Amino acid sequence: GAVVSQHPSRVICKSGTSVKIECRSLDFQATTMFWYRQFPKQSLMLMATSNEGSKATYEQGVEKDKFLINHASLTLSTLTVTSAHPEDSSFYICSARDWGSGTEAFFGQGTRLTVV
Amino acid sequence: QQQVKQSPQSLIVQKGGISIINCAYENTAFDYFPWYQQFPGKGPALLIAIRPDVSEKKEGRFTISFNKSAKQFSLHIMDSQPGDSATYFCAASTGTSGSARQLTFGSGTQLTVLP
Repeated sequence: GAVVSQHPSRVICKSGTSVKIECRSLDFQATTMFWYRQFPKQSLMLMATSNEGSKATYEQGVEKDKFLINHASLTLSTLTVTSAHPEDSSFYICSARDWGSGTEAFFGQGTRLTVV
Repeated sequence: QQQVKQSPQSLIVQKGGISIINCAYENTAFDYFPWYQQFPGKGPALLIAIRPDVSEKKEGRFTISFNKSAKQFSLHIMDSQPGDSATYFCAASTGTSGSARQLTFGSGTQLTVLP
């Protein structure tokens, strides 16, 4: 099946710094990628939809200026958590659609962010 | 109307038993219903998916049963194994090919299969 690679898998950063998370579709082109946040023992919460070559669409309540999303190519989307605070600590997961099939969404391995 | 309600929240099954997880939805525009398996610290992985034009789909030990009139679908795991212990999410989405296909997730079921 299609592979979505997310990096890094774990990151620890200090409060006030920024962290970038990369999401790559390895064997297909992804016009649309999704970014989720997941708290322990909870479901995935959609943060934003990233569209190649255009601005991301953010879900209600998600701060655009804190969670910067860039989808510069058909295989790469990045999520930058700016001026991170401890409450931003969470598990972030990306998902990409296979442009060819148009059906399935494949998920990355997730990134565990800890802000200290 | 976008919600997908999932139950039970947790499930404990003996090895070799049948695990059953249920989901219900309200939005009749949903036309794609996948199930995902997630292990701790990992992203979700697609298990099996169904479209509303069929009532059942089976892949190995995993079966989806779909009841369009009741707006319900369920996952059955036959001969459950300790390695199946994970969190399972149902999901649903709308849209035709080429659309964003944003997934709406259920709340998840923590399955534990006892050896």
